[in-house]
Amino acid sequence: GENVEQHPSTLSVQEGDSAVIKCTYSDSASNYFPWYKQELGKRPQLIIDIRSNVGEKKDQRIAVTLNKTAKHFSLHITETQPEDSAVYFCAASIWNTDKLIFGTGTRLQVFP
Amino acid sequence: GAGVSQTPSNKVTEKGKYVELRCDPISGHTALYWYRQSLGQGPEFLIYFQGTGAADDSGLPNDRFFAVRPEGSVSTLKIQRTERGDSAMYLCASSLKKLGPSVFTGELFFGEGSRLTVL
Repeated sequence: GENVEQHPSTLSVQEGDSAVIKCTYSDSASNYFPWYKQELGKRPQLIIDIRSNVGEKKDQRIAVTLNKTAKHFSLHITETQPEDSAVYFCAASIWNTDKLIFGTGTRLQVFP
Repeated sequence: GAGVSQTPSNKVTEKGKYVELRCDPISGHTALYWYRQSLGQGPEFLIYFQGTGAADDSGLPNDRFFAVRPEGSVSTLKIQRTERGDSAMYLCASSLKKLGPSVFTGELFFGEGSRLTVL
């Protein structure tokens, strides 16, 4: 089955700097890659997703890139703010199976 | 309702007891998922329903775990003979899924979770 690995497990940055979180997946049939943000004690919420027919997607300060050949995808957050502090999870699924497999998470801390 | 509702929010039980966790998805969402999240880990897939039927139950760890969704809306996750290792946050999510490429959305809407502690 699908296996998703995520790095780093923790990431500390200064406010205004960029943050990058990387994930790799094992199943080449996976074609949907969302990112979820989970604040302390809260539910995970979707922040951005990408499908395998595109290589990059942006939404304001966040972007996701996908390299299907290498089977890895990354989350990029620019101009980080303290409210970006949270745990971020990548995930992968094969579109019509609807079984979303999550990575182990990255705890991002943005220091003012 | 406005969001996915899960009850109870907290459940403390003794080893060997039976527990039920309830999930009320967003109205109209056909797909419903159960995940388990341990401290410091990502959500672990347990089971997925499309309508009333379990489309994929490959994540259920053993036969002590069972889930139902008899009317295609509310779902109940049932755990028999609980063990200390079952302690975790149990998350339910729902999504709107329709056949056809133009009306699909993959976003999962999670509930607040049910925290299960087995003593």
